[in-house]
Amino acid sequence: SAVISQKPSRDICQRGTSLTIQCQVDSQVTMMFWYRQQPGQSLTLIATANQGSEATYESGFVIDKFPISRPNLTFSTLTVSNMSPEDSSIYLCSVVGHNEKLFFGSGTQLSVL
Amino acid sequence: GQQVMQIPQYQHVQEGEDFTTYCNSSTTLSNIQWYKQRPGGHPVFLIQLVKSGEVKKQKRLTFQFGEAKKNSSLHITATQTTDVGTYFCVTADFNKFYFGSGTKLNVKP
Repeated sequence: SAVISQKPSRDICQRGTSLTIQCQVDSQVTMMFWYRQQPGQSLTLIATANQGSEATYESGFVIDKFPISRPNLTFSTLTVSNMSPEDSSIYLCSVVGHNEKLFFGSGTQLSVL
Repeated sequence: GQQVMQIPQYQHVQEGEDFTTYCNSSTTLSNIQWYKQRPGGHPVFLIQLVKSGEVKKQKRLTFQFGEAKKNSSLHITATQTTDVGTYFCVTADFNKFYFGSGTKLNVKP
């Protein structure tokens, strides 16, 4: 299994500001994923982050709004830029472990005022 | 990503009743996974199905993968209050994982 430390666990931010979310994994992993879960909804894949290359974004998500860093095989950050109330959501990082199981961080609950 | 429809959206049952959630895809799936998310928690892996017609059991939970590999189901026998949560089917496409819409289960004691 993989243990993921995600922070912050929650934050309340002002419109127009940016927030960076960090995920630290206890083992080296090739692929990390970032998901968004809006209230009462399912998880939507934002992007896939591979070490040493640009993140791959899903339809509807762009790098300018959600820049991602992946400096090594155990760490990644997601920034939510120029926030608006519509960005209020839970953001989760995830990695693929043994037997293709997904492991998740505990999530970041973001509220934008 | 692959689109999977999951039904029902919500299910309220009395403790002891059975529960089933279904996932349907318009395309053939290579495999399907099931996750459970407790209220306030993150999704936790339950099972992966790979073979056509596969059936797997975990205590009171029975998972099935359709013969055509286009649908799957999760059945819980004699629900307990600990079964409360949202159940998601998840499909993999080119090493990316896409979540179904989920079924939220509420169990009344």
